[in-house]
Amino acid sequence: EVKLVESGGVVVQPGGSLRLSCAASGFTFEDYYMHWVRQVPGKGLEWVSLITWEDDSTYYADSVKGRFTISRDNSRSSLYLQMNSLTAEDTALYYCAKGLRWFGTILDSWGQGTRVTVSS
Amino acid sequence: DIQMTQSPSPLSASVGGRVTITCRASQNINSALAWYQQKPGKAPKLLISKASILETGVPLRFSGSGSGTEFTLTISSLQPDDFATYYCQHYESYSPKFGQGTKVDI
Repeated sequence: EVKLVESGGVVVQPGGSLRLSCAASGFTFEDYYMHWVRQVPGKGLEWVSLITWEDDSTYYADSVKGRFTISRDNSRSSLYLQMNSLTAEDTALYYCAKGLRWFGTILDSWGQGTRVTVSS
Repeated sequence: DIQMTQSPSPLSASVGGRVTITCRASQNINSALAWYQQKPGKAPKLLISKASILETGVPLRFSGSGSGTEFTLTISSLQPDDFATYYCQHYESYSPKFGQGTKVDI
């Protein structure tokens, strides 16, 4: 059974930094694209970032480019999101999600999310 | 940048009724469209990929159609478990884009 468990969400001050983690199990982590998607409470889904399996290429939404960094540790089956220069607009529930093997940008498994609140 | 627009939002429906949600892309995306269902307090669940291919275990009352710029998700006979928010997603790029969501409620 695929399992994704996010952690690291806390209350942080504007301008601060945070690192989210996602522990994966139940599949061969190194063979899959992995994503972060966020959702402001009561609002829609916003794709944030992805990292490929082939060469660890990374991609970002314009809203986080230059501030967030996605990374993975295949030896630990873990995904990370380093978040810098946080603003109130980054307040959201952050989901870790796994891509399909045949098309990595279709998200077939999701964690339950970790909540990030940016507030003074 | 491709934009995805869903309608209607919200959508009021009754148990047993037929529901159709539309998703429009700002440019041709062929069939590179997925649908997700999200219930309150839960993570999204993948229902359909490639515009019309049902994921394993998804009830047959769900169907997807369309190509190019206009797509539909249809629930043929709405069940109590189907009251949720539905999102379309364009996935044929390294910057996947979600629609704004359609909440199906009573």
